Amino acid sequence: EDQVTQSPEALRLQEGESSSLNCSYTVSGLRGLFWYRQDPGKGPEFLFTLYSAGEEKEKERLKATLTKKESFLHITAPKPEDSATYLCALQETSGSRLTFGEGTQLTVNP
Amino acid sequence: DTEVTQTPKHLVMGMTNKKSLKCEQHMGHRAMYWYKQKAKKPPELMFVYSYEKLSINESVPSRFSPECPNSSLLNLHLHALQPEDSALYLCASSQPPGVYGYTFGSGTRLTVV
Repeated sequence: EDQVTQSPEALRLQEGESSSLNCSYTVSGLRGLFWYRQDPGKGPEFLFTLYSAGEEKEKERLKATLTKKESFLHITAPKPEDSATYLCALQETSGSRLTFGEGTQLTVNP
Repeated sequence: DTEVTQTPKHLVMGMTNKKSLKCEQHMGHRAMYWYKQKAKKPPELMFVYSYEKLSINESVPSRFSPECPNSSLLNLHLHALQPEDSALYLCASSQPPGVYGYTFGSGTRLTVV
């Protein structure tokens, strides 16, 4: 059975304090690993898809990396507007469903 | 157009009411999804439509009835709901099988009283 575990559950940072969020997973065959950002009361906003170990993608202050067992979302010099819940999800090769982790709630204080 | 539009944004209904949630996309996606999300929990898959045919039903109670009238529209018909069904209902779309990511709508906040 596919499993996705995100850590930490919650993270408080000062503005400009870089850090990383972790997503560890087990899957029989990975089609893709997805990162989403979700603001309260809103739908998840797509950030990245990673397909194979060693792949990296960047967008503004965010950088996602992938190994065979985990993915990291690195946040460089975060700003208060980066405060949100970050969700990791995976899709296995045999299906179309996304399996989500529980999310990391990030708060960036000014 | 790169959006998934859901209506209404908020809905309050009694346990004997019948209501419908609507979802529309014009990105040419041929897969559409309904998710349910409770507070501080990740989205849970309810239904998947692929090429307008129901392909996945995650053992959802029959008081939830999905419908996909065409490739751009997805409905969720609600009847005789329970208070525990109160949640954020999210619609998403993608090109099957979703390998390039899903686009989610902003959701309908449903409260059952």
